[in-house]
Amino acid sequence: GENVEQHPSTLSVQEGDSAVIKCTYSDSASNYFPWYKQELGKRPQLIIDIRSNVGEKKDQRIAVTLNKTAKHFSLHITETQPEDSAVYFCAASSDTGANSKLTFGKGITLSVRP
Amino acid sequence: NAGVTQTPKFRVLKTGQSMTLLCAQDMNHEYMYWYRQDPGMGLRLIHYSVGEGTTAKGEVPDGYNVSRLKKQNFLLGLESAAPSQTSVYFCASSYPGLALTYEQYFGPGTRLTVT
Repeated sequence: GENVEQHPSTLSVQEGDSAVIKCTYSDSASNYFPWYKQELGKRPQLIIDIRSNVGEKKDQRIAVTLNKTAKHFSLHITETQPEDSAVYFCAASSDTGANSKLTFGKGITLSVRP
Repeated sequence: NAGVTQTPKFRVLKTGQSMTLLCAQDMNHEYMYWYRQDPGMGLRLIHYSVGEGTTAKGEVPDGYNVSRLKKQNFLLGLESAAPSQTSVYFCASSYPGLALTYEQYFGPGTRLTVT
């Protein structure tokens, strides 16, 4: 089955700096890569996703890049703000349609220092 | 729309007791999922369903059973609770639709403690 890894487990940045969170996946058949944000005590929520036919996707201050050859994808957050502090989960899906299910990484705790 | 709701929000069980967690969604989603979240372990899939009357095992199904008798509801059962099942349980739902989006919408979670 799919295996998704995130490193490091924690990341601390100064407010205004950029943050980059990286994930690797094992199944070359994976074709859907979402990122979820979970604030303390809250439910995970999708912030951005990318499909394997696209190399990069942007949405305001966040972007995701995908390198299919190396089997890794990254979340980029620019001009970080204190409200960006949260746990970020990457995930990958190697099945689509009737067997659609996600494999999540263990999560990275991002702290933005004011 | 309420989205995805979970009942109860908190529960304390003694070892060996049973309970059922209820997940309901009002978005007419086909797919529903149960995850558990433990510190440092991320979100691990327990069971999932791709439609009414269907269920399938996920990554960590042992000790749990599920049922999807109605499209809007997905039940997670613990027949004989163990301390290792102490966790936060999240339900989620999704619907690929025409846009082939697989966004999963999560419920607020149920915090379960087994003593």
